[in-house]
Amino acid sequence: GAVVSQHPSRVICKSGTSVKIECRSLDFQATTMFWYRQFPKQSLMLMATSNEGSKATYEQGVEKDKFLINHASLTLSTLTVTSAHPEDSSFYICSAPTGSEQYFGPGTRLTVT
Amino acid sequence: AQSVTQLGSHVSVSEGALVLLRCNYSSSVPPYLFWYVQYPNQGLQLLLKYTSAATLVKGINGFEAEFKKSETSFHLTKPSAHMSDAAEYFCAVSEGSGTYKYIFGTGTRLKVLA
Repeated sequence: GAVVSQHPSRVICKSGTSVKIECRSLDFQATTMFWYRQFPKQSLMLMATSNEGSKATYEQGVEKDKFLINHASLTLSTLTVTSAHPEDSSFYICSAPTGSEQYFGPGTRLTVT
Repeated sequence: AQSVTQLGSHVSVSEGALVLLRCNYSSSVPPYLFWYVQYPNQGLQLLLKYTSAATLVKGINGFEAEFKKSETSFHLTKPSAHMSDAAEYFCAVSEGSGTYKYIFGTGTRLKVLA
């Protein structure tokens, strides 16, 4: 099956700094990718839809200036958490559709100290 | 608007017993429905999906689910639980073909007792 990777798998950063998370579709092209956020023991909440060659679409309540999304190519989307704060600590998961299915990355655990 | 409700945030079964995880959905259009499994600190793995074909859907690892329109349900079952089935399970709904925005339920943590 198709594979979606994320890098890094874990990151710890200091409050006020920015951190970038990469999402790659390894063996297929994806004009659209999705970013989810998952708090401990909770479900996945869709944050935004990443569109190759155009602006991302953010879900209601998600700050677009804080969570910057860039879909640089047909195989890469990045999520940058700007001026991170402890409340941004979470598990971030991306996904990419191909055919009739959607494939999820392994997730990135962000801890802001 | 679509929504998914998973009854029971935690379910415990004995090894070898029947697994039943409940999912009810709300959708104004014929839905596509999915069950995913998540192991600790990992992404989601697709167990099975309903896409308006057969109402009884068979998935990986011995899991299956039945789409019941009259009950707006898509419960996940497995005849005999294995220790390796212990994980978090998520039900999700989308608005059908070509729509990849999924709405996830709150998840059910399955514990398998020896």
